Amino acid sequence: DAGVIQSPRHEVTEMGQEVTLRCKPISGHDYLFWYRQTMMRGLELLIYFNNNVPIDDSGMPEDRFSAKMPNASFSTLKIQPSEPRDSAVYFCASSPLGANEQFFGPGTRLTVL
Amino acid sequence: GIQVEQSPPDLILQEGANSTLRCNFSDSVNNLQWFHQNPWGQLINLFYIPSGTKQNGRLSATTVATERYSLLYISSSQTTDSGVYFCAAVNTGGFKTIFGAGTRLFVKA
Repeated sequence: DAGVIQSPRHEVTEMGQEVTLRCKPISGHDYLFWYRQTMMRGLELLIYFNNNVPIDDSGMPEDRFSAKMPNASFSTLKIQPSEPRDSAVYFCASSPLGANEQFFGPGTRLTVL
Repeated sequence: GIQVEQSPPDLILQEGANSTLRCNFSDSVNNLQWFHQNPWGQLINLFYIPSGTKQNGRLSATTVATERYSLLYISSSQTTDSGVYFCAAVNTGGFKTIFGAGTRLFVKA
């Protein structure tokens, strides 16, 4: 398997613009997780899905953040409007079961100017 | 929610030395993972170890779930072992994953 795929790998945008990050989980994995990594807060879980349904979005920082999973092989994390403090590395991970081993994608490094 | 603490925060080793990294968690867990984040930012799975002991080459890990800690052993360290080591826990009854702050390891040649 190709592993978890994320795109783009790098994104530079200006404050106020909409940003969409994409993730393709490992085939057959029922759970998908979105994380954010910053120097100040470390790695933190934003939201996770089970069978395409959002289960826990309590980590989503603000209403500017939204995530969808329209099918088993694709998820998006959208920030609208973006702000400089959203600059971070965003990781997507998938797991065959919720409490099982998670496999991470390479991450998207987002810079908001 | 569950809290995860790692120690030491920083570690410098001479190549060839051994080390032990510790992860304490505040509640019972049904998942405990160790990751290595390399200098390029990739998160590499080392161990999925909610309990017991596992070994993979020079690395091994032990989780004592009843005492709420896990240890990662690195033997005969190499410069390529440098990076940040994270443990991550999922508490029993849920799927929310909490990461520790990490141990930053630098191995000198």
